[in-house]
Amino acid sequence: QLQLQESGPGLVKPSETLSLTCTVSGGSITSSTHYWGWIRQPPGKGLEWLGNIYYNGNTYYSPSLRSRVTVSVDTSKNQFSLKLTSVTAADTAVYFCARVEVATSNNYFDYWGQGTLVTVSS
Amino acid sequence: QSALTQPASVSGSPGQSITISCTGTSSDVGNYNLVSWYQQYPGKAPKLMIHEVSKRPSGVSNRFSGSKSGNTASLTISGLQAEDEADYYCCSYAGNSILVFGGGTKLTVL
Repeated sequence: QLQLQESGPGLVKPSETLSLTCTVSGGSITSSTHYWGWIRQPPGKGLEWLGNIYYNGNTYYSPSLRSRVTVSVDTSKNQFSLKLTSVTAADTAVYFCARVEVATSNNYFDYWGQGTLVTVSS
Repeated sequence: QSALTQPASVSGSPGQSITISCTGTSSDVGNYNLVSWYQQYPGKAPKLMIHEVSKRPSGVSNRFSGSKSGNTASLTISGLQAEDEADYYCCSYAGNSILVFGGGTKLTVL
């Protein structure tokens, strides 16, 4: 059974960089039919897609966050990561990692991590 | 890329059917049959309920169905049950490997 687990600091100071890692188990991150993505959810609000990555390093970002988001992959560790720069209180959210099914360009999230709360505060 | 538009809340009584709409544009919902729906309980991760407009993953009840007309996709839940009370989100492909979510709909089972 595929599992994804987010990890990283739960508290980040304003103007600093938020960094999270998603560890994939029970399957390979080098799957040719999947991307790997990050989604966030501010407290009490809706889901927001941040970006996806393919195992070869190809990345796809939300236009609204493109200037601040970087997603990378480490195939040797079966992990992918998120960096969000210059954070503010508005970046406080639960951050989810997920697998994206793209076998026939279908683009949907079929497996999710449990999510991790990141609070931006001094 | 603007968020897709969903009603903030819908409600229904047990046994009834409800429909949640998800309105986008000709650049996302209207241009691709790549709308997915997710169910989320408080404090939990979202769960895939429908993909590619109307396809149900294995294990999802056949009480859940999806459809699309023009720029609006819909999720219908028939035979409403107490356990269906949750938040529901739509998501659409918007071209160039970009995805966009709806604002979410809170379903209350009366």
